[in-house]
Amino acid sequence: IAGITQAPTSQILAAGRRMTLRCTQDMRHNAMYWYRQDLGLGLRLIHYSNTAGTTGKGEVPDGYSVSRANTDDFPLTLASAVPSQTSVYFCASSDTPGTSGTDTQYFGPGTRLTVL
Amino acid sequence: GQNIDQPTEMTATEGAIVQINCTYQTSGFNGLFWYQQHAGEAPTFLSYNVLDGLEEKGRFSSFLSRSKGYSYLLLKELQMKDSASYLCALMDSNYQLIWGAGTKLIIKP
Repeated sequence: IAGITQAPTSQILAAGRRMTLRCTQDMRHNAMYWYRQDLGLGLRLIHYSNTAGTTGKGEVPDGYSVSRANTDDFPLTLASAVPSQTSVYFCASSDTPGTSGTDTQYFGPGTRLTVL
Repeated sequence: GQNIDQPTEMTATEGAIVQINCTYQTSGFNGLFWYQQHAGEAPTFLSYNVLDGLEEKGRFSSFLSRSKGYSYLLLKELQMKDSASYLCALMDSNYQLIWGAGTKLIIKP
């Protein structure tokens, strides 16, 4: 069992380009999350999905979009990348929060994105 | 609003004990998590407290006082591999995690 995989591992992108970060989990978790991590700051939630077919905005959603067509996949798209989106992006998943008592989020290995 | 504070960096000696504190302010609370993150890697789950008191897991223990908005992570018998960042996160009333900036723990021989 792989858990959560993310692709690519790292990417250098020209400003203005479109980019999709991929995230796949095989734990049959209903909930999935995208975070960005910047030096000196805590993880910040970009978007989340509590179940397939639904998505929600987190703390820093501007410039990002997500979709959740099925349980396993939760891609994050930057429509037109800007240098301030240079960051490490983590995908995570969990059981449906607040339902089973096991709200622990499990993280993928991350994607290091540099926008020039 | 919500706010989480933890020290930026701590140093400890191999074999010793270290306590990493986390204080928070929140209007809704559904638990307090601790994660470990080695440099260049993903955060990994360490502990979860939703009731007051101490939870022990081997060399690691976590304590919570909801009335004081306070938690700590206690690491015993420190090993060099414990050098990492330790992230405190509270689960708010919407069951979303609010993260502290993390405490970088440096272990010296």
